[in-house]
Amino acid sequence: AQSVTQLDSHVSVSEGTPVLLRCNYSSSYSPSLFWYVQHPNKGLQLLLKYTSAATLVKGINGFEAEFKKSETSFHLTKPSAHMSDAAEYFCVVSFYSSASKIIFGSGTRLSIRP
Amino acid sequence: GAVVSQHPSRVICKSGTSVKIECRSLDFQATTMFWYRQFPKQSLMLMATSNEGSKATYEQGVEKDKFLINHASLTLSTLTVTSAHPEDSSFYICSARDSGGLDTQYFGPGTRLTVL
Repeated sequence: AQSVTQLDSHVSVSEGTPVLLRCNYSSSYSPSLFWYVQHPNKGLQLLLKYTSAATLVKGINGFEAEFKKSETSFHLTKPSAHMSDAAEYFCVVSFYSSASKIIFGSGTRLSIRP
Repeated sequence: GAVVSQHPSRVICKSGTSVKIECRSLDFQATTMFWYRQFPKQSLMLMATSNEGSKATYEQGVEKDKFLINHASLTLSTLTVTSAHPEDSSFYICSARDSGGLDTQYFGPGTRLTVL
């Protein structure tokens, strides 16, 4: 069965320190992987996506993620957190066999301490 | 590019009335659009897949007669919440899949529905 797990429901870091949001997936197929960000009462904005090209993917706002097949992981990182990064982050997986449907992780709320 | 709009952004209605929410892909064609529902502090729940020119595919547990979906063109899908009740109050988000792309879905800004 296909699934996606975000290991942390809430992450809090100080401004200027690194950010790590964890995501693991389970699939019998080669997935496409995405990270989306959602600010309060807003829709989702695509941060980055992996679609079987380079395993290290760079996204907007300084975020990047690395696809590690051996670990079935796609963790999101940023070297230095900014106050504006405070939001909800969703790891999303798309499986070709699911006819374009995607599976959402449960989300990780990122808080930034001044 | 790849902008999806939703209208209205916020709606308040009385119990028993129907509410229509529009989802438009502004700069690309979308043969497939998706409708999600999001409860406070929770992830998105897929309600249905909207296919241009054909009937929508509903997820298990979603009432077809309550949540009417129409995808009349390659850039527009509508969700109508019929005979709305307070328990239908939620944040509704649509997404559109670029017909020329691969897997990427672009999300609208969402519609906050409050049923009194």
